[in-house]
Amino acid sequence: NAGVTQTPKFRILKIGQSMTLQCTQDMNHNYMYWYRQDPGMGLKLIYYSVGAGITDKGEVPNGYNVSRSTTEDFPLRLELAAPSQTSVYFCASTLGAWGYEQYFGPGTRLTVT
Amino acid sequence: GESVGLHLPTLSVQEGDNSIINCAYSNSASDYFIWYKQESGKGPQFIIDIRSNMDKRQGQRVTVLLNKTVKHLSLQIAATQPGDSAVYFCAGTSGSRLTFGEGTQLTVNP
Repeated sequence: NAGVTQTPKFRILKIGQSMTLQCTQDMNHNYMYWYRQDPGMGLKLIYYSVGAGITDKGEVPNGYNVSRSTTEDFPLRLELAAPSQTSVYFCASTLGAWGYEQYFGPGTRLTVT
Repeated sequence: GESVGLHLPTLSVQEGDNSIINCAYSNSASDYFIWYKQESGKGPQFIIDIRSNMDKRQGQRVTVLLNKTVKHLSLQIAATQPGDSAVYFCAGTSGSRLTFGEGTQLTVNP
């Protein structure tokens, strides 16, 4: 199993541009999550999904959108990028809602200038 | 919701010593906690978890203690090694979501 994969690893955006961060898992996990991590800080939940076709907001959803058309994929869309979205983005997946560890991808480092 | 925080942002220990990293949580309904290790430039990696019906759980060189009375958990690392240098996060459940603390940077001195 490849686990959780994320692309791209790095990206620089200009203010106002848009992009999609890709996340794929091959563990047949139902639950998937997007977090952002600012320097020296913990992880903040952006969006999550409990299964294909179902998504919900986390702590910091503004400026982002997600979709979950398949079990494997959970892309994160940034519209109208802003400097405040400069961060490292982590995707994670888990088998169930409770009592299961979350597996994390390697992250995408995004800079908005 | 859940608020999870750590007592110290940094911890420095000598190689071979035991390390203790502490974490406090606010939501008394939280019933599942995880400790993660994050090395520089990488995603968080699972270390150990504990459910609220337990007060102690041991892994390989790691022990997690849970005190529900004071809403506190700790991670103990025995015989700390240079490879243990990383940021350690505790996380607690809030519904189907985990809430992460800010992290403690552990530095192991040779």
